[in-house]
Amino acid sequence: GAGVSQSPRYKVAKRGQDVALRCDPISGHVSLFWYQQALGQGPEFLTYFQNEAQLDKSGLPSDRFFAERPEGSVSTLKIQRTQQEDSAVYLCASSPTTFRAAGGGANVLTFGAGSRLTVL
Amino acid sequence: QKEVEQNSGPLSVPEGAIASLNCTYSDRGSQSFFWYRQYSGKSPELIMFIYSNGDKEDGRFTAQLNKASQYVSLLIRDSQPSDSATYLCALMDTGRRALTFGSGTRLQVQP
Repeated sequence: GAGVSQSPRYKVAKRGQDVALRCDPISGHVSLFWYQQALGQGPEFLTYFQNEAQLDKSGLPSDRFFAERPEGSVSTLKIQRTQQEDSAVYLCASSPTTFRAAGGGANVLTFGAGSRLTVL
Repeated sequence: QKEVEQNSGPLSVPEGAIASLNCTYSDRGSQSFFWYRQYSGKSPELIMFIYSNGDKEDGRFTAQLNKASQYVSLLIRDSQPSDSATYLCALMDTGRRALTFGSGTRLQVQP
């Protein structure tokens, strides 16, 4: 697609419910990232995929958070037994290349519009 | 976790003035730095990146990098009300394969 598409744009969940957030990256993009952005804060890294491989999940805050990208394109972030502190905007970003330390412009991320999760 | 520090603002400048946004970082190994702009309720969008010491200019925007001082800045010349947004500084995190973001500086350009 022309951009990174995320759905749903808004999700209200009751505490304890499970939620699934979907990301459809730019076609052909190798790298996919999930970030969490709390109100008034910068995006915080959650996890990184290179194609279908999840190479870094060090930012996932607990084992209630799970992400997958089974065919190397669409990705789903799942949050089990949601808590109020999970309320945030979840941003997905993609990049056409593999991520590397000295990549400079190769590491430019294109973000989706985000999914705003509110847990009551 | 690498730290990226930004003044949260708001930074208020009159229309037509130069806005100067600053960012410091703690990891001397960081090599690439990015400035993103985020309008309220929208996703971050890239303004520019820099990885060499010195200045890099793109239109009204100039990024400045000083690795010895661990300092990155963004200058916006001829500021316009449409530049009012939060500006996020980010760096390549050498410890993980991702960008690490600061908390952002809110810029207000007064007409």
